[in-house]
Amino acid sequence: ETGVTQSPTHLIKTRGQQVTLRCSSQSGHNTVSWYQQALGQGPQFIFQYYREEENGRGNFPPRFSGLQFPNYSSELNVNALELDDSALYLCASSLGYTQGGEQYFGPGTRLTVT
Amino acid sequence: EDQVTQSPEALRLQEGESSSLNCSYTVSGLRGLFWYRQDPGKGPEFLFTLYSAGEEKEKERLKATLTKKESFLHITAPKPEDSATYLCAVPVRNTDKLIFGTGTRLQVFP
Repeated sequence: ETGVTQSPTHLIKTRGQQVTLRCSSQSGHNTVSWYQQALGQGPQFIFQYYREEENGRGNFPPRFSGLQFPNYSSELNVNALELDDSALYLCASSLGYTQGGEQYFGPGTRLTVT
Repeated sequence: EDQVTQSPEALRLQEGESSSLNCSYTVSGLRGLFWYRQDPGKGPEFLFTLYSAGEEKEKERLKATLTKKESFLHITAPKPEDSATYLCAVPVRNTDKLIFGTGTRLQVFP
């Protein structure tokens, strides 16, 4: 069984640029959630994708967008980067809450915006 | 408003000194409470799911319990390798959105 993977591991971008982060879900999982974790804080929910459709969104502006592909992998895109976007971005996969809801996290992508 | 609060923020223990971490929650229609362990710079590692008051789960030196208002993570005779941040989370009603606490940073000294 393959766990959740994310790429890249680290990324440095300049304010105003755009970034794409990638996630491969755990084998057999059809739901992917994205979280932002600032230093010393718990993860904050960005949005979730279930079978290629957005299935819930947290309090993040529209410049945070995503995609899910037929193989259930996913992308997180952030436009017009701001300094406050610097954080650890986490992807989690699950079978969806109707199946228990346990979410399994990847190692994260550390984004630094300068 | 749905909320998760963890205490203490930080805990320093001597190896072998047992203790408990607290997670209190306010959420409508609890559909599970999740405990995770997170090492610095890494993603959270799933530990336990608890679904109903009175339920207990164990894994090595860790035992998680659940009441109607809070959950405890008991650590018995901890070792230095148990040092990590422990996070609890609950799903918002009718969604998969997890609300996390800010975590308890545990340090175990030899």
